[in-house]
Amino acid sequence: DAGVIQSPRHEVTEMGQEVTLRCKPISGHNSLFWYRQTMMRGLELLIYFNNNVPIDDSGMPEDRFSAKMPNASFSTLKIQPSEPRDSAVYFCASTTGTSGTDTQYFGPGTRLTVL
Amino acid sequence: TQLLEQSPQFLSIQEGENLTVYCNSSSVFSSLQWYRQEPGEGPVLLVTVVTGGEVKKLKRLTFQFGDARKDSSLHITAAQPGDTGLYLCAGGNAGNNRKLIWGLGTSLAVNP
Repeated sequence: DAGVIQSPRHEVTEMGQEVTLRCKPISGHNSLFWYRQTMMRGLELLIYFNNNVPIDDSGMPEDRFSAKMPNASFSTLKIQPSEPRDSAVYFCASTTGTSGTDTQYFGPGTRLTVL
Repeated sequence: TQLLEQSPQFLSIQEGENLTVYCNSSSVFSSLQWYRQEPGEGPVLLVTVVTGGEVKKLKRLTFQFGDARKDSSLHITAAQPGDTGLYLCAGGNAGNNRKLIWGLGTSLAVNP
């Protein structure tokens, strides 16, 4: 079975540009999570969806960040406009189940560099 | 605010040595998960513990959940270079909340 798929794997852009990260969760999983990982702050939850509905977006840094999940097999995380401090590795993860004991399956990540 | 502190932050050892890493909190969690992350990849689940005092073994890895469900440890016996990676702990809460609280991780390097 295919795991969580993320694209692109690497993105280099200039400050002020729009960035769109994409994620395809594992088929049949009903929850999807977007994380950001940096050395200083570790793995931070940005937002998570359950059955395509955003449940907790308290980790979204500011209005420059937005996430959508139009259907069960696709989600996007958009940053507009991007800033150098947004440079990080962004992970998407999916899970099935009903609680925090469920295994989260992570994609390989997108390494974003904003110049 | 629930926090998880992991120690040590970095650990470099020789192949064959034993080690223990810790995950501590002042908060009670209903579950504690350990993940391992290799460079360029996402974290992969190693184990989930849900009962205070629970001990689980995965080959040379031994995981323990504290009696009060506020802390956990991971012990590796006879470490091998393949154990190299970032070890992350994540706490979960009861109910339908699927949000995990993550520690910053312990970066382990096992030298041949």
